[in-house]
Amino acid sequence: SYVLTQPPSVSVAPGQTARITCGGNNIATNSVHWYQQKAGLAPVLVVDDDRDRPSGIPERISGSSSGNTATLTISRVEAGDEADYYCQLWDSSSYQYVFGTGTKVTVL
Amino acid sequence: EVQLVESGGGLVQPGGSLRLSCVASEFTFSASNMNWVRQAPGKGLEWVSYISSSSSTRYYTDSVQGRFTISRDNAKNSLFLQMDSLRDEDTAVYYCATKGRTTCSWCMAVWGQGTTVTVSS
Repeated sequence: SYVLTQPPSVSVAPGQTARITCGGNNIATNSVHWYQQKAGLAPVLVVDDDRDRPSGIPERISGSSSGNTATLTISRVEAGDEADYYCQLWDSSSYQYVFGTGTKVTVL
Repeated sequence: EVQLVESGGGLVQPGGSLRLSCVASEFTFSASNMNWVRQAPGKGLEWVSYISSSSSTRYYTDSVQGRFTISRDNAKNSLFLQMDSLRDEDTAVYYCATKGRTTCSWCMAVWGQGTTVTVSS
């Protein structure tokens, strides 16, 4: 089955840029979505179809995808960005949704 | 506001059964494909099952195939997950989720608050 690999953790100082990677075989041929999950709450979709932002998501959050890696970028990081982040795609070969392993973003 | 509310979680012994429900409001439930996603304590998100708007198509993750059954009642805006032969590793918060009004392909833009299932003797 398809596997999406993320770094377990990313630490970033306020005002700096956080980049979270999501690795998968030829991932750029799929549509990748990103979710933010704060402690004790349900996930929130922050980027869909590689780079689109749902209504209400700030422009500081952006997505991209190329080759075997999709990337979520959070610019001008704020304390409120501290959360777990997950990538996700639909694997049409196995008819399954696949979530990445998750990345904990810590704001120093 | 689009809303999903899950219920039916609880404590059950290994080998037991439980039925989860999810009630939708403020969107066209009957036209929406729906999912169940779970999260074990301290772990990541795991997709569990999918059902199309007409119930004609259902998918399951390998670990629940043959034990869990997803269903829906469009007249009651309700989604269900019948969980049989429960195992310790099924312990998790279970969320229902759907793409809602977004145009994205196979994403989940609307989530419920989750219901907790604990499998333990």
